[in-house]
Amino acid sequence: GAVVSQHPSWVICKSGTSVKIECRSLDFQATTMFWYRQFPKQSLMLMATSNEGSKATYEQGVEKDKFLINHASLTLSTLTVTSAHPEDSSFYICSAKRGSGHEQYFGPGTRLTVT
Amino acid sequence: GQSLEQPSEVTAVEGAIVQINCTYQTSGFYGLSWYQQHDGGAPTFLSYNALDGLEETGRFSSFLSRSDSYGYLLLQELQMKDSASYFCAVRDWNTDKLIFGTGTRLQVFP
Repeated sequence: GAVVSQHPSWVICKSGTSVKIECRSLDFQATTMFWYRQFPKQSLMLMATSNEGSKATYEQGVEKDKFLINHASLTLSTLTVTSAHPEDSSFYICSAKRGSGHEQYFGPGTRLTVT
Repeated sequence: GQSLEQPSEVTAVEGAIVQINCTYQTSGFYGLSWYQQHDGGAPTFLSYNALDGLEETGRFSSFLSRSDSYGYLLLQELQMKDSASYFCAVRDWNTDKLIFGTGTRLQVFP
C-alpha cells in the first residue's frame, strides 16, 4: 500500500510555455502533499506544502505565481510551472502523507527539461 | 529552522561496513529518518528513529542521539546495489515539514 504516482515521468518543453505535473495517491487519502525540487547532485528542497481544499504554503524564495499548486482532492495534487525557463529544468518530486503519522510516501519524480 | 549536514561522499568496497553521519541544528523535531535514492529515482524510506538509540533493519541500522544533535546510518555487508545517495531528514514539529539533509553519495566498489 501507500503508492504515489506522478505524471508525466519526464517532459521537455520550450521556454515560455507552461507544464502541469500530476501527483496522485493511489491507495490512500493524502491529507497533505508536498512538492520538492532537486537539482543534479543536490538534496531535495521543499517547494510547497498543500492540504486538500486549502491554498498551498510556499517556502521562502519559491514564487507562488510561477509554481501553481492545486490540491483538488484527497488523492490529487497538481504543480503547474508557468512560463518555464531553462533554469526551471529540474527533478520535481511529490510526496504525500496521511494523517498525523510520520511516514511520507514519495512519487517517482518528474524530470523537466526546458529548452 | 532546520539544518542537517552530511559528508558529501563516501566510498567503500563490497562486504565492508560504512557509517554515514548526520549532524543537525533544529528547533524541534519528531524523529530522524533515513532515505535512499538511486540516480533518477525517488527517495525510498529506510529507517526512522523516534527515540535515542539504535534501530536495526536487516543490513541497515540507524542511530540517534538528541543530546549530541547527531545520528548515523550504518550499512553492513555492502553490496554494489547499495551505491546510491543517502539522506537524513527530520520532521519539524511546528510545521510538519520533512526537511532533508545535504545528502551523501555512497559508491561501492568490487
